[in-house]
Formats: sequence, C-alpha cells, structure tokens
Amino acid sequence: GAVVSQHPSWVICKSGTSVKIECRSLDFQATTMFWYRQFPKQSLMLMATSNEGSKATYEQGVEKDKFLINHASLTLSTLTVTSAHPEDSSFYICSAEQGVSYYNEQFFGPGTRLTVL
Amino acid sequence: TQLLEQSPQFLSIQEGENLTVYCNSSSVFSSLQWYRQEPGEGPVLLVTVVTGGEVKKLKRLTFQFGDARKDSSLHITAAQPGDTGLYLCAGERRGAQKLVFGQGTRLTINP
Repeated sequence: GAVVSQHPSWVICKSGTSVKIECRSLDFQATTMFWYRQFPKQSLMLMATSNEGSKATYEQGVEKDKFLINHASLTLSTLTVTSAHPEDSSFYICSAEQGVSYYNEQFFGPGTRLTVL
Repeated sequence: TQLLEQSPQFLSIQEGENLTVYCNSSSVFSSLQWYRQEPGEGPVLLVTVVTGGEVKKLKRLTFQFGDARKDSSLHITAAQPGDTGLYLCAGERRGAQKLVFGQGTRLTINP
C-alpha cells in the first residue's frame, strides 16, 4: 500500500514553455501533498505544501507565480513550472501524507527529472 | 540553521562492516522517519519511530529514537553492496505539517 506515482518521469522542454507534473496517490486519499526539489547529491528541499481544496503554502524563496500548484482532488496534485528557464532544471519529487494514528507518514513519488534547454 | 544534523554525510566502507548514521537536533519531534533513496528515484520509507527510546529492527538495520525524541540513529550490521544509497532522516514536529530533513548520508558499500 501507500503508493505514489508521478508523471512524467522525465521531461525536456524549451526555455519559456510551461511544464505540468502530476502526483497521484494510488491506493489512499491524501488531504496533504508536498512538492520538493532536489539538487544533485543534496537532500530534499521543500517547495510547497499542497492541501486539497485550498491554496498551497509556499516556502520562503519559492515563487508561487512560477510554481503553480493545484490539489483538486484527494488523489491528485499538480505542479506547473511556468515560463521555465535552464535554472529550473532539477529533480522534482512529490509526496503524499497518510495519517497513521497520532502521527503522519509521507510517501514519495519516483520523481520527475526536468531539463530546460 | 539546519534543524536536523545528519552525520556522517559521506561514508564508504567494505562489505561486512558495521556502521551507524546519526541524526541530531535541539528540537523535539513527535515522529521521525528514515528513508533510503537510490539515484534517479524517490525516497522510500524504511521506518517511523514515535516513542522516546523506541528501537525498531528491519533485518540488518536497527533504528533508535532518543529518549528525549531529539535524536535518532540507524545502525547497519554486516553491510552489503545492496545497502548503497542516500539515507535521509526526517522529523515531524508537533503541530507542523511538513517534515524537517537531515542533509542525508551517502553510503557506499564496496564489495
């Protein structure tokens, strides 16, 4: 159980275009999902917290108009990188939160490798 | 300021040796999770510890949560090449939705 998928697994796009990444919880409902960015050989950096039916909460320094997040259902959150530039190239990972008794666990998707040319 | 200090950040040892990875903080966590990540993939949850002093075992991996719930350790016995990967600890603070991640430990087990 607790499987999270991401699509696409990799994408290459031209500078100035927009890219949408989907994150789905396959076997559970997730009120809360998270979007992370990971640079080579580094830990995960939280970009935003996505709550179903409400606006996402962005971390300091993350441009909300550039990284649009939509969490329209309990199993789907999307991250759209608008007007992508080469510096946006990175590994983007989502996670979905599953409540377990009195604590929560996050289950991660396989990640999306974005390359902006 | 790093809320979760993970050490060592890099470790390369021979197959069959034992090792311990540490996560330390001045903050109290309501739970702490350990993940393992392979290149090009997302982190995979290994274990969640929630009670101070708790010890959990997963085959050759032993996880411990400190009595004060401010630190945790991962001990691997008789390491194997398949244990190679990036190990991440992540803590959940009470009342906070998001996890606080350590810097990660890049472990390489040489045959």
